[in-house]
Amino acid sequence: GENVEQHPSTLSVQEGDSAVIKCTYSDSASNYFPWYKQELGKGPQLIIDIRSNVGEKKDQRIAVTLNKTAKHFSLHITETQPEDSAVYFCAASKGGSYIPTFGRGTSLIVHP
Amino acid sequence: DTAVSQTPKYLVTQMGNDKSIKCEQNLGHDTMYWYKQDSKKFLKIMFSYNNKELIINETVPNRFSPKSPDKAHLNLHINSLELGDSAVYFCASSQDLRGNSYGYTFGSGTRLTVV
Repeated sequence: GENVEQHPSTLSVQEGDSAVIKCTYSDSASNYFPWYKQELGKGPQLIIDIRSNVGEKKDQRIAVTLNKTAKHFSLHITETQPEDSAVYFCAASKGGSYIPTFGRGTSLIVHP
Repeated sequence: DTAVSQTPKYLVTQMGNDKSIKCEQNLGHDTMYWYKQDSKKFLKIMFSYNNKELIINETVPNRFSPKSPDKAHLNLHINSLELGDSAVYFCASSQDLRGNSYGYTFGSGTRLTVV
C-alpha cells in the first residue's frame, strides 16, 4: 500500500520567516495530495490541495509544490504569523476505491 | 453553519463501560468516516460509510460498531471500553466516495478518556 513520510516532525520559526514541510510518497499512482491544518482542540481543516497534473499551486501565503518524478510534495508558508502555529498533515491518494494515506504530522510553532 | 458536528466533545468513562459518539453533517455529502487520532497525532481510518452502507472497515476490534441511520448521521458505539481506547475520535465527510477529489471535512473531535 501507499506509504507517506512527512518531515520534520517539529518546526520552530520566528514570525515573518518562511516554513517548509516536506512529504514523500511511495505509490506512483497517487494523484491527489491534500494538506490539512489542525489547530489545538480542533479537527483537521483542508487548507490546500494539488493534483498530479499540476506542479505548483498558491493561495495567498501558502503554496504547495509537487515533484512526481521524485515522488515528493511540499507545503510552503511565507511570512509566518503566530496563528499559523498548528499541526500540519499531508496526505496522498490514488483515487478510485482507495482511502488517502496521511503523513504523521508536523507541529509548526511560530514565535512572535 | 454548514459543518460536521459531533458530540460529546469530551467523554471520561470507566473501563468496561459502553459509550456512543454521535456525528451529523449538513453538507449534503454521501460519504462519512470515523478516524482515530492517537497521542502522537497519527490519524487512522476506522470506518467509512457511503449513503448508509458500510464500505470500509479497517482492522478495528468488533467492540466498535458504527451505525448510520441516514446519510447525514454516523454514530460510533463502543462496548467494553479499554484503557487503550483513549484517543481523540474524529468524524469526517467527503463529497466524493473516498475524499480523493475534494478532501475531507472533519468534525472537531471527541476526546475519549478511559480510566
